Amino acid sequence: DGGITQSPKYLFRKEGQNVTLSCEQNLNHDAMYWYRQDPGQGLRLIYYSQIVNDFQKGDIAEGYSVSREKKESFPLTVTSAQKNPTAFYLCASSIRTSGIYEQYFGPGTRLTVT
Amino acid sequence: GENVEQHPSTLSVQEGDSAVIKCTYSDSASNYFPWYKQELGKRPQLIIDIRSNVGEKKDQRIAVTLNKTAKHFSLHITETQPEDSAVYFCAAKSGGYQKVTFGTGTKLQVIP
Repeated sequence: DGGITQSPKYLFRKEGQNVTLSCEQNLNHDAMYWYRQDPGQGLRLIYYSQIVNDFQKGDIAEGYSVSREKKESFPLTVTSAQKNPTAFYLCASSIRTSGIYEQYFGPGTRLTVT
Repeated sequence: GENVEQHPSTLSVQEGDSAVIKCTYSDSASNYFPWYKQELGKRPQLIIDIRSNVGEKKDQRIAVTLNKTAKHFSLHITETQPEDSAVYFCAAKSGGYQKVTFGTGTKLQVIP
């Protein structure tokens, strides 16, 4: 299961605080993604990055921010503007090569905001 | 953008029976359709995928079919086993981007 890691596994924050979730990969993948998983709603894309120093909003980007300064790292910040931040967050990566699209997922971070 | 619908949301089958999960997509430009399996407490993992130039693909007990005209694709699991119990997600990728849109998931329970 190695190759893409997320930390911490569980995270607790008070409402109104920003929090940053870590995602690191050593697979030499160009593309990285952040998904939010809620019961009954599948995997919803927050942000994705196809290459270093470039990223695009996904379907539910409001209240989140990202950076991609290094190929290996794609941290996600959940800001106080995110109205319902408690969720399970999954990071993924994939090779940016035509014909190869498999995404490799990290173990996830469960964020609880009270 | 792409919209992927998945049915059913839950599915219970007896061990040894077959299971079928169906998905529809909206973007006719979608050209890649993966299926991911997520066991309880674990990360999603790719189990099979199909490209738009293929109508069917099999891998041992699992198979995927694609109907481009109707814009739907299905996952078929034969001779189900208790270890098949998991949440299954379909997805679709359109155009040249790496963005993949997932369905809402199907929780499959295989009853011994």
